[in-house]
Amino acid sequence: SQKIEQNSEALNIQEGKTATLTCNYTNYSPAYLQWYRQDPGRGPVFLLLIRENEKEKRKERLKVTFDTTLKQSLFHITASQPADSATYLCALDTGGFKTIFGAGTRLFVKA
Amino acid sequence: NAGVTQTPKFRVLKTGQSMTLLCAQDMNHEYMYWYRQDPGMGLRLIHYSVGEGTTAKGEVPDGYNVSRLKKQNFLLGLESAAPSQTSVYFCASSSEGFQQFFGPGTRLTVL
Repeated sequence: SQKIEQNSEALNIQEGKTATLTCNYTNYSPAYLQWYRQDPGRGPVFLLLIRENEKEKRKERLKVTFDTTLKQSLFHITASQPADSATYLCALDTGGFKTIFGAGTRLFVKA
Repeated sequence: NAGVTQTPKFRVLKTGQSMTLLCAQDMNHEYMYWYRQDPGMGLRLIHYSVGEGTTAKGEVPDGYNVSRLKKQNFLLGLESAAPSQTSVYFCASSSEGFQQFFGPGTRLTVL
């Protein structure tokens, strides 16, 4: 079955630095991959989508890469701020309008 | 626009009791989803719908039933609640199968 792995350990970084989160997957070739942000007690919020034929996507301070050979996506937040502290979820398309989500990586940005 | 709303926000049930969770969206989205989120396991798809009158099983459908009688509403039912169904339930909708919009969640405890 499809499997998504995100670093279960929290990532702690200093304000102003670049945060890099990793998403690895197995047993599937998704047409696209998504990243969501989730704050405590709230539902996930969509951030970015990258398609299989795109190597990189940017949105403001966010950058996502997608390596279909390595079966890996990297999510970068540049010039990080304390307000970026949240859990970030990776999500894969599995076809048939279904999506599977990773467990997420918690990011803490210290001022 | 209210986006995606869920009712109720919190609920405590005794084992064997039944209940219905209501999800409503005002974005005219075709696709709607029910997920459960448990610590360390990420979001898991329970059931989904690709249009009014349609439903399909997701990853963890056992013990749950759904209905989509109106395009804007997606109901999740628990016929006989079990402690293993203690979780946070999220509803989501989308227009194309990706970029899902999530509701605020329902925290359910089954004693």
